Amino acid sequence: SQTIHQWPATLVQPVGSPLSLECTVEGTSNPNLYWYRQAAGRGLQLLFYSVGIGQISSEVPQNLSASRPQDRQFILSSKKLLLSDSGFYLCAWSRGDNYNEQFFGPGTRLTVL
Amino acid sequence: GQQVMQIPQYQHVQEGEDFTTYCNSSTTLSNIQWYKQRPGGHPVFLIQLVKSGEVKKQKRLTFQFGEAKKNSSLHITATQTTDVGTYFCAGRGRGGADGLTFGKGTHLIIQP
Repeated sequence: SQTIHQWPATLVQPVGSPLSLECTVEGTSNPNLYWYRQAAGRGLQLLFYSVGIGQISSEVPQNLSASRPQDRQFILSSKKLLLSDSGFYLCAWSRGDNYNEQFFGPGTRLTVL
Repeated sequence: GQQVMQIPQYQHVQEGEDFTTYCNSSTTLSNIQWYKQRPGGHPVFLIQLVKSGEVKKQKRLTFQFGEAKKNSSLHITATQTTDVGTYFCAGRGRGGADGLTFGKGTHLIIQP
């Protein structure tokens, strides 16, 4: 069976510090991978998606970046965090066609102080 | 870009009452999905609708996809406390391996 992992579960970082969130998927190959951000009580905002190693599409211009160094690894990064980067970050995967559901990881709750 | 609007934002119901959330897209969708997020949890897939006018049922939940494939609804009959959470619709535009565009969700609060 497939599983998706995210870490850390919670993170408190000062403004201006770097960020690295990691997401890995097990039990499937060549998944589509996604990063979403959910502000408190709000909907899901798609940040990045990837259909393969090294292939990243950005949906929203910001100070965040994503990388996919391996087939089942997706990393969300920032060089300098802003207060507005606080939120709940969710990684998701789906099978490699357009008609399958997305499976979400447990999320990382980021607080920038 | 594609926008997906969902109403209402919040819905308070007495346990046993029915509940409906509505989803509208600014563009025609290839499919629409519904997710449920329990408080403190992550979204979990409920169902996907692909065909124009499609209706699907899961026990007390009924999902509809509009004829024009631009709107959808989720109806829960006789709500129970386990139905508490946020219900999101998510639309996928035509073509491309892009991510879903999520509505802002409807928070369902149930009073016993």
